[in-house]
Amino acid sequence: EVLLEESGGGLVQPGGSLRLSCADSGFTFSSYALTWVRQAPGRGLEWVSTISANGRDTYYADSVKGQFTISRDNSKNTLYLQMNNLRADDTGLYYCAGWRSGSPPYMDVWGQGTSVTVSS
Amino acid sequence: EIVMTQSPATLSVSPGERATLSCRASQSVSTTLAWYQQKPGQAPRLLIYSASTRATGVPARFSGSGSGTDFTLTISSLQSEDFAVYYCQHYNKWPLTFGQGTKVEIK
Repeated sequence: EVLLEESGGGLVQPGGSLRLSCADSGFTFSSYALTWVRQAPGRGLEWVSTISANGRDTYYADSVKGQFTISRDNSKNTLYLQMNNLRADDTGLYYCAGWRSGSPPYMDVWGQGTSVTVSS
Repeated sequence: EIVMTQSPATLSVSPGERATLSCRASQSVSTTLAWYQQKPGQAPRLLIYSASTRATGVPARFSGSGSGTDFTLTISSLQSEDFAVYYCQHYNKWPLTFGQGTKVEIK
């Protein structure tokens, strides 16, 4: 069973950087494709980025391309999101989510989210 | 990018009544469509995938239908725990996109 827990959120000034982590306390991390989905306060869900189970393939929303980098360390059962040059509209709750590798990309496991606030 | 449009934005329903939520894609996504439920302060939960297949543990009162561009989530008899926001998401191609959500509230 995959159990995801995000960390690394916080308050950062515009233009700053933050690295989010998502750790899996289960035993099947390396067999899951993983994704980041964010939710601005009071708003809907926005897909941000996805990485394949082996880490070779990555995908980004146009809104974060060149600004965010997704990566994973399967030896540490951890997913990362490096966020640079942060803007106010990057504020929100960031969820990691995933699906079993080889399955279509609908998200059947979710973490509880970590909050990012970009403000001076 | 495929734009997903949900309607209505808010649906007021009495407990025990039927709720019908709509999701429309800007181009055909075949049946690569999922529905999620999100309650306040909680992460989303997968309800339906492949447009009509219930995820593990999802009650039978939830059903999905549709293909191509038009999809429906039906809750046959609303229970108190079903009042939440519902999102559709296509996974036909990158980028993945979600609808803006439908809030199901108590009438």
